[in-house]
Amino acid sequence: QSALTQPASVSGSPGQSITISCTGTSGDVGGYNYVSWYQQHPGKAPKLMIYDVSNRPSGVSDRFSGSKSGNTASLTISGLQAEDEADYYCNSYTSNTAQVFGGGTKLTVL
Amino acid sequence: QVQLVQSGAEVKKPGASVKVSCKASGYTFINYGITWVRQAPGQGLEWMGSISGYNGDTNYAQNLQGRVTMTTDTSASTAYMELRSLRSDDTAVYYCARGSYNHDYWGQGTLVTVSS
Repeated sequence: QSALTQPASVSGSPGQSITISCTGTSGDVGGYNYVSWYQQHPGKAPKLMIYDVSNRPSGVSDRFSGSKSGNTASLTISGLQAEDEADYYCNSYTSNTAQVFGGGTKLTVL
Repeated sequence: QVQLVQSGAEVKKPGASVKVSCKASGYTFINYGITWVRQAPGQGLEWMGSISGYNGDTNYAQNLQGRVTMTTDTSASTAYMELRSLRSDDTAVYYCARGSYNHDYWGQGTLVTVSS
């Protein structure tokens, strides 16, 4: 199973909005509404930010939102803050009951 | 509060096996699956597989089939991941996470180093 495709890096200034894309196929992202997003700070375990494409767990800021169109899912962070600087990974259920992660995107807050 | 506490770091020689444990607390163990994810140094996350906390059904990543075994001890609310025939490229931090699809709680990670 090939990793989902994410941009290696994105950047934005405090207060701006950024979007991270996650492209798969009809056998994963496009075929199921089981896309999740994880934030990982250096040396820390990942943290669930979005699940089932667009749902936020309790305690996650509403500045984080998720969506999907066809085979591409997206994570949008609005009102960028310094603490948002981290690596972000998408994850999807796949047709053979497996899962696959994206390659990860490094977000830099300028 | 929900916690997943993993066993400590391991150093293994190529060809050996490693077994990492993940003790869960703060929730009913059989109501959730456990997923194992690894991260090689400086690399991204890799899904290794999942095990049902209810009946022990497993799904493994295709590239690890035959080398990995995931088990649970429901009486101890503990999940285990054993990886055999270790190679240098198995050097990674290994995480357990609650849930078969959405992983809302994670262990602290276990560094497994494979070196001769």
